[in-house]
Amino acid sequence: DQQVKQNSPSLSVQEGRISILNCDYTNSMFDYFLWYKKYPAEGPTFLISISSIKDKNEDGRFTVFLNKSAKHLSLHIVPSQPGDSAVYFCAATDLMAAGNKLTFGGGTRVLVKP
Amino acid sequence: KAGVTQTPRYLIKTRGQQVTLSCSPISGHRSVSWYQQTPGQGLQFLFEYFSETQRNKGNFPGRFSGRQFSNSRSEMNVSTLELGDSALYLCASSFDRGAYNEQFFGPGTRLTVL
Repeated sequence: DQQVKQNSPSLSVQEGRISILNCDYTNSMFDYFLWYKKYPAEGPTFLISISSIKDKNEDGRFTVFLNKSAKHLSLHIVPSQPGDSAVYFCAATDLMAAGNKLTFGGGTRVLVKP
Repeated sequence: KAGVTQTPRYLIKTRGQQVTLSCSPISGHRSVSWYQQTPGQGLQFLFEYFSETQRNKGNFPGRFSGRQFSNSRSEMNVSTLELGDSALYLCASSFDRGAYNEQFFGPGTRLTVL
């Protein structure tokens, strides 16, 4: 039962263009969403997050959009840079539930071509 | 501030053996979570410890167990290893379930079961 899905396993984009990563969820109890970036041989690093009371959050080149009715979120990276080449994970959590459990999507591998 | 450290970084075991992995959280962090990353299943939550108590548990068999010490360091143990336990085991620490619920991940322990 995959509660968080990233349907695109990979994405290739030219340097300077926009990268759009998508994520869908099924659990309506999720009220906080995060994106993590992972390089090989390293643990995931936090990128940006959004609460379910918002529909957009921006941090520099990264913007996350949330569509609650569609249970869909997306991460926009503008402009894309070669250093952005990594695997990106979408994660979700229920802040009202006990504990610190994150449910992750399967990841999207992004390749930014110079 | 030192990040999350995990030891060992790489481990090779044979089926039927048991293994213990260690995680030292960021200083001051009281919550430690463990995740398993495999190519087929992505990142899956194993369990979380807070103040030496298991606060949350994922859907893994009882062969997977953990504990947390008074200094917040955590260990996870897998008994009777199976081939399917080959994975990257990630540990994440956080101060607690703060507003951003940010968890900081260690580099992981790569376990190979032969």
